[in-house]
Amino acid sequence: EVQLLESGGGLVQPGGSLRLSCAASGFTFSSYAMSWVRQAPGKGLEWVSAIGGSGVSTYYGDSVKGRFTISRDNSKNTLYLQMISLRAEDTAVYYCAKLSRRGIVSGAFDVWGQGTMVTVSS
Amino acid sequence: DIQMTQSPSSLSASVGDRVTITCRASQSINNYLNWYQQKPGKAPKLLISAASSLQSGAPSRFSGSGSGTDFTLTISSLQPEDFATYYCQQSFSTLTFGGGTKVEIK
Repeated sequence: EVQLLESGGGLVQPGGSLRLSCAASGFTFSSYAMSWVRQAPGKGLEWVSAIGGSGVSTYYGDSVKGRFTISRDNSKNTLYLQMISLRAEDTAVYYCAKLSRRGIVSGAFDVWGQGTMVTVSS
Repeated sequence: DIQMTQSPSSLSASVGDRVTITCRASQSINNYLNWYQQKPGKAPKLLISAASSLQSGAPSRFSGSGSGTDFTLTISSLQPEDFATYYCQQSFSTLTFGGGTKVEIK
């Protein structure tokens, strides 16, 4: 069964840092691009970041560029999101999602994790 | 960046109704358009990819059409389990979501 399991969310003060992880199973992890998508309370979906299968190509939304870093460890089938300089507006459920097309950062998000909540507050 | 605009932002409908949701891109995205369904407290679920390709397991009452800048998600006969929020998403250039359409019970 294809599965994604996020962890690492929690309460952090403004200006603080947090690292999210996403453990993947049931598919050839290194063959697919992966992404983070977030959803603020009561709001819509916002694409955050994506990474190619090899980890070389990375992409970021404007709201997180320069503060968030996406990475992956294909030997551990794990995706990461390092977040620094966190702001109140970063408060959201963060979902890990698999992209449907092999090898490139494109296509649909065909598998989603259950999400992990990040709350930025003093 | 490509902007995705969904309309309406919400709608009320009855079981059995035909429902249409539209999504407009700020520039042509060919058919690089996907649709998702999200229920409260749950992760989104992919319904339709490449504008009109129904995902395995998705009910046949869902259909998608369009290309270029204008796209449509149609539910031919609304069922109780279809009350949810629907999002479009483009993958022509990076990855952007529309603002969502909440389908509520009338």
